[in-house]
Amino acid sequence: EIVLTQSPGTLSLSPGERATLSCGTSQSVYRNFLAWYQQKPGLAPRLLIYGVSTRATGIPDRFIGSGSGTDFTLTISRLEPEDFAVYYCQHYGTSPRVTFGQGTRLEIK
Amino acid sequence: QVQLQESGPGLVKPSQTLSLTCTVSGGSISSGTYYWSWIRQHPGKGLEWIGYIYYSGSTFYNPSLQSRLTISVDMSKNQFSLNLSSVTAADTAVYYCARIALVGGYFGPWGQGTLVTVSS
Repeated sequence: EIVLTQSPGTLSLSPGERATLSCGTSQSVYRNFLAWYQQKPGLAPRLLIYGVSTRATGIPDRFIGSGSGTDFTLTISRLEPEDFAVYYCQHYGTSPRVTFGQGTRLEIK
Repeated sequence: QVQLQESGPGLVKPSQTLSLTCTVSGGSISSGTYYWSWIRQHPGKGLEWIGYIYYSGSTFYNPSLQSRLTISVDMSKNQFSLNLSSVTAADTAVYYCARIALVGGYFGPWGQGTLVTVSS
């Protein structure tokens, strides 16, 4: 069973800074089926990145997904005030079919 | 564009069955390129995948919930539904429905979510 571990648990940064969020998997990702979501309080998650590095429709190019194997990264190149939220990585595989990481909270410093 | 909307009781008594429906608009649930899924989020916690269904009726469930779970689809109404039996307070959560891509396995769009509280 694949386990996704996100780090850090909380990241405190200022607008304009670069954010680096990590997602480690306990085994190699199936067919690069690794996605990232952003969730703001009281709202549903929003798809940011799928297939490790493809931005979803309407997602600004400051959001960059990268990685391979068991180590994946979501980089936000220059933080905007609206980027402060919780971020989840997610894997789609064979068993279980879907796994989420525990989330990284990105807060304003 | 496709939109999803959850509906159902916000309060369920312990030991009863939690039943929710997700109505899909702006697209057909019988599209062969998507699954239709339920996800939940306990208060202040992360996301937990519940299960998903294909328009043909094939289902895939979270093993931890499988014994209590039924997901079904009604193509005539463009809806899919969740039934979770024998609920306890641990099933109190926001329940989301979402579309999941057959290739890629990513979720989007999502419904707005509905809070279900299990309490007597």
